[in-house]
Amino acid sequence: DTGVSQNPRHKITKRGQNVTFRCDPISEHNRLYWYRQTLGQGPEFLTYFQNEAQLEKSRLLSDRFSAERPKGSFSTLEIQRTEQGDSAMYLCASSFRAANTGELFFGEGSRLTVL
Amino acid sequence: AQKVTQAQTEISVVEKEDVTLDCVYETRDTTYYLFWYKQPPSGELVFLIRRNSFDEQNEISGRYSWNFQKSTSSFNFTITASQVVDSAVYFCALSEAKGGYQKVTFGTGTKLQVIP
Repeated sequence: DTGVSQNPRHKITKRGQNVTFRCDPISEHNRLYWYRQTLGQGPEFLTYFQNEAQLEKSRLLSDRFSAERPKGSFSTLEIQRTEQGDSAMYLCASSFRAANTGELFFGEGSRLTVL
Repeated sequence: AQKVTQAQTEISVVEKEDVTLDCVYETRDTTYYLFWYKQPPSGELVFLIRRNSFDEQNEISGRYSWNFQKSTSSFNFTITASQVVDSAVYFCALSEAKGGYQKVTFGTGTKLQVIP
């Protein structure tokens, strides 16, 4: 399968714990995005990488959130000291800079439940 | 600031009926892009179409058609002869050509249920 891959697909954690999600984009894609989707809502932009550089972060990304893309390939999204309000689906998407379609290729998401 | 409004939260139709999903957007930019994505129960968002702000030609792809009207800031999506497999949540989205990348703003989605 050569699509965007996200792990784990589901994570249940207790409030206060740290969690980390991983995203493997389509291999030739140099742009990577993280979105968050809560129940009944559309995805909300969190952050964007071009290669290894994090070029934009949403105000939704509090200090407890950190995202990395160390070698311009896979990315991790870590949430420290989780709160119940962090419960959501975390979506990763990738795209290729030179492509003109504007299409984002999404993974199936990582669902976080904070108890 | 960008905003996308999908006023229809849920729609149910009987198979083979036509259905139109509404989308209204707001943006201050003169150059922008509009999208429709489909999110089936599996959760993965699937790209359906992208339109540029300077191209108001309507588009048809099989049973799908899109009506872009800049004068009313609308980008509606019609499914003709709906099928059960069309059941999903559909998102309209908008992006500015900011910094050469797509910071996409999504609407809240319309859940379509096609009843056999």
